[in-house]
Amino acid sequence: EAGVAQSPRYKIIEKRQSVAFWCNPISGHATLYWYQQILGQGPKLLIQFQNNGVVDDSQLPKDRFSAERLKGVDSTLKIQPAKLEDSAVYLCASSLDLGQLGETQYFGPGTRLLVL
Amino acid sequence: DAKTTQPPSMDCAEGRAANLPCNHSTISGNEYVYWYRQIHSQGPQYIIHGLKNNETNEMASLIITEDRKSSTLILPHATLRDTAVYYCIVRVWGYSTLTFGKGTMLLVSP
Repeated sequence: EAGVAQSPRYKIIEKRQSVAFWCNPISGHATLYWYQQILGQGPKLLIQFQNNGVVDDSQLPKDRFSAERLKGVDSTLKIQPAKLEDSAVYLCASSLDLGQLGETQYFGPGTRLLVL
Repeated sequence: DAKTTQPPSMDCAEGRAANLPCNHSTISGNEYVYWYRQIHSQGPQYIIHGLKNNETNEMASLIITEDRKSSTLILPHATLRDTAVYYCIVRVWGYSTLTFGKGTMLLVSP
């Protein structure tokens, strides 16, 4: 079974530029998550989708971050404009269903973003 | 904020058991204990979860105290590939969000 795919794996941009990350979840997984992981910390949830609807985006900085999952499969996360503090690893995860007992989140390898 | 407390780092000799503690003294009756680990440059990986009974799978064992205020993840025969950050997470049944703390960095040495 193919895992969660993310691209690009690495990205270096200058502050105030824009950047987009792409995620392809495991086939059949209804729930998709985007996490931000700053160096030395655990991942922090940014947004959660159930199919193509947003379940939780309470920690997404909406003035500069946006995310979409138009057809309920692939998702993109965008930052515009980027700030130095956005330097982090952006992780995508998927799970079969929302909140089911024993349901496991499967994570992709992440995209490492460096903002100069 | 994470509802768990873990030591920042631990060492273990290859082949020996690694016992990773986690304190979750404010855990509620409907919260499960989950463990994930993150190997360097990879995304987190699910290990095991439990409510109040001890659990075992092919990766590890989870021992939860009777009062459920703490737990221990046991890797019975640690290998070099088990070097990773281990996260203990409490999560409400039926609610999918994972709240990660800083975890424990386990270093397995030859």
